[in-house]
Amino acid sequence: DTAVSQTPKYLVTQMGNDKSIKCEQNLGHDTMYWYKQDSKKFLKIMFSYNNKELIINETVPNRFSPKSPDKAHLNLHINSLELGDSAVYFCASSIPGPGETQYFGPGTRLLVL
Amino acid sequence: QKEVEQDPGPLSVPEGAIVSLNCTYSNSAFQYFMWYRQYSRKGPELLMYTYSSGNKEDGRFTAQVDKSSKYISLFIRDSQPSDSATYLCAMSKNAGNMLTFGGGTRLMVKP
Repeated sequence: DTAVSQTPKYLVTQMGNDKSIKCEQNLGHDTMYWYKQDSKKFLKIMFSYNNKELIINETVPNRFSPKSPDKAHLNLHINSLELGDSAVYFCASSIPGPGETQYFGPGTRLLVL
Repeated sequence: QKEVEQDPGPLSVPEGAIVSLNCTYSNSAFQYFMWYRQYSRKGPELLMYTYSSGNKEDGRFTAQVDKSSKYISLFIRDSQPSDSATYLCAMSKNAGNMLTFGGGTRLMVKP
């Protein structure tokens, strides 16, 4: 019974292509996130949505566009993929509060050739 | 210089050893401190959370925060091979604020 799920798990694609990663959480949480983890394991937030509204948008190229069709879903669309986009992308969700626990998905490994 | 620094390791210890993992940070506004464990090819999972300075114990794990030194630690007693993972510290300024992560320390516990 997966709490935060992502599809696909692996994505290999050519430079210049457009791709999407989907995320769903069945925890009833209000807030969802996208993180990028590079090859050195550094985990950096990209976007945060609360109740389908964007609340955090870190310095991310506008080729990356998040979309939240409802509270349980936060998808990430990437246009014109570049080599530097190769990384592991994690979706997470949480209920805000002290010690806000973020629950992470299993990650999507993106390789741009 | 990153806001949160963590030695990437790897840190290799024999089974049963006491492990000490550390992070330093530069922003004194951080008040909430967390440790996440990430197994290979999995997402991070929350291990421990502490607010402000002090200690917190949970089974074999103890988290310490020293805000005056901007230094946090995670101790693992009686380490097991199943503890082998990457440990990420994370912190935030307010409840509900975004988390800033360290780069993670890879721990290997050898049987």
